[in-house]
Amino acid sequence: DAGITQSPRHKVTETGTPVTLRCHQTENHRYMYWYRQDPGHGLRLIHYSYGVKDTDKGEVSDGYSVSRSKTEDFLLTLESATSSQTSVYFCAISGGARWAYEQYFGPGTRLTVT
Amino acid sequence: QKEVEQNSGPLSVPEGAIASLNCTYSDRVSQSFFWYRQYSGKSPELIMSIYSNGDKEDGRFTAQLNKASQYVSLLIRDSQPSDSATYLCAVNMPPYTGNQFYFGTGTSLTVIP
Repeated sequence: DAGITQSPRHKVTETGTPVTLRCHQTENHRYMYWYRQDPGHGLRLIHYSYGVKDTDKGEVSDGYSVSRSKTEDFLLTLESATSSQTSVYFCAISGGARWAYEQYFGPGTRLTVT
Repeated sequence: QKEVEQNSGPLSVPEGAIASLNCTYSDRVSQSFFWYRQYSGKSPELIMSIYSNGDKEDGRFTAQLNKASQYVSLLIRDSQPSDSATYLCAVNMPPYTGNQFYFGTGTSLTVIP
């Protein structure tokens, strides 16, 4: 997984609780992304980061926030989880020194909101 | 509106045959094109990247790009049961747009032994 880890890998939480997912990379890539993947929708971008403390919204950002205080870590927070946020969440990176335009994915986090 | 379109399939081919997967994209600014393979329950895995018109071969995989027609395809020769997966087409926008990637919904491929 190109030096990308995600934690936790699985989580079950209750509606209304805050949840934070962590993505950690050891590749020193500039860009980091959070996607969600749902049947029939494919991969949809939630937020992305183009540098430390530099983030922007993606296609489905409502209900999510992110932070990037270090190059290697990108956090995704569900401020108040809802059942519609039950999904598989993937972190991805790109912008490496050698293959700047390629994007690599972490192993994913399966989140269930009950 | 940036769109990447793929036939969802499922596509079934016999073992040893050529599998052909197609993708069209709407934004002419797109610069880089990728194919990912995703096994059930796993994360997408990059298998091919292509940046200029023409063909690019890597083992049994060939990516074809036609920017004028806004079309990219993936050919898998001598298909194996282990190639059974969902294949995602992705398009990359230039860095000044945030280096964003846009994905199709994927084509499910089954290789029948």
